[in-house]
Amino acid sequence: GENVEQHPSTLSVQEGDSAVIKCTYSDSASNYFPWYKQELGKRPQLIIDIRSNVGEKKDQRIAVTLNKTAKHFSLHITETQPEDSAVYFCAASLYSSASKIIFGSGTRLSIRP
Amino acid sequence: EAQVTQNPRYLITVTGKKLTVTCSQNMNHEYMSWYRQDPGLGLRQIYYSMNVEVTDKGDVPEGYKVSRKEKRNFPLILESPSPNQTSLYFCASSLDRINTGELFFGEGSRLTVL
Repeated sequence: GENVEQHPSTLSVQEGDSAVIKCTYSDSASNYFPWYKQELGKRPQLIIDIRSNVGEKKDQRIAVTLNKTAKHFSLHITETQPEDSAVYFCAASLYSSASKIIFGSGTRLSIRP
Repeated sequence: EAQVTQNPRYLITVTGKKLTVTCSQNMNHEYMSWYRQDPGLGLRQIYYSMNVEVTDKGDVPEGYKVSRKEKRNFPLILESPSPNQTSLYFCASSLDRINTGELFFGEGSRLTVL
């Protein structure tokens, strides 16, 4: 079955700098890769997702890149702000089936003022 | 307001005392699922349901049961809770698993089993 590994588990960056979180997956059939943000005490919420037919997707300060050959995908946050402090989860699934969705173990991102 | 509602939000119980965590969504979503969140382990899927009367095991189904008798409800049942089921539980729903992938999560239910 699918396995998703996420690194690093914790990340601290200076406000205004960029943050990168990386995930690898094992099942080459996976074709949908969402990222969820969970603020302290809150529910996870989707911030961006990418499907396997594209290599990169951007939404303002957030971007996700996908390398299908290497089976890894990354979340990039530029010009980080205090409100970016949260736990981020990557996930992988087979989009067009009655699928399980497998989450990474999470990255706790802290933005230093 | 579109939402996924879980109850109870907090529960302390004792080993062996059956309990049910309810989950209800008002978005007419076909897909619903349950996750548990534990430190360092991320979100692990317990069970999911593609539609009414259709359920399937996720990665950690042992000790749990679910049912999907109505489209809007997907209760999680712990027949005989044990301390290793102490966790934060999230219910989630999605319009369907074919055309859209976004999961909408409930606020979470923190369960402690003594």
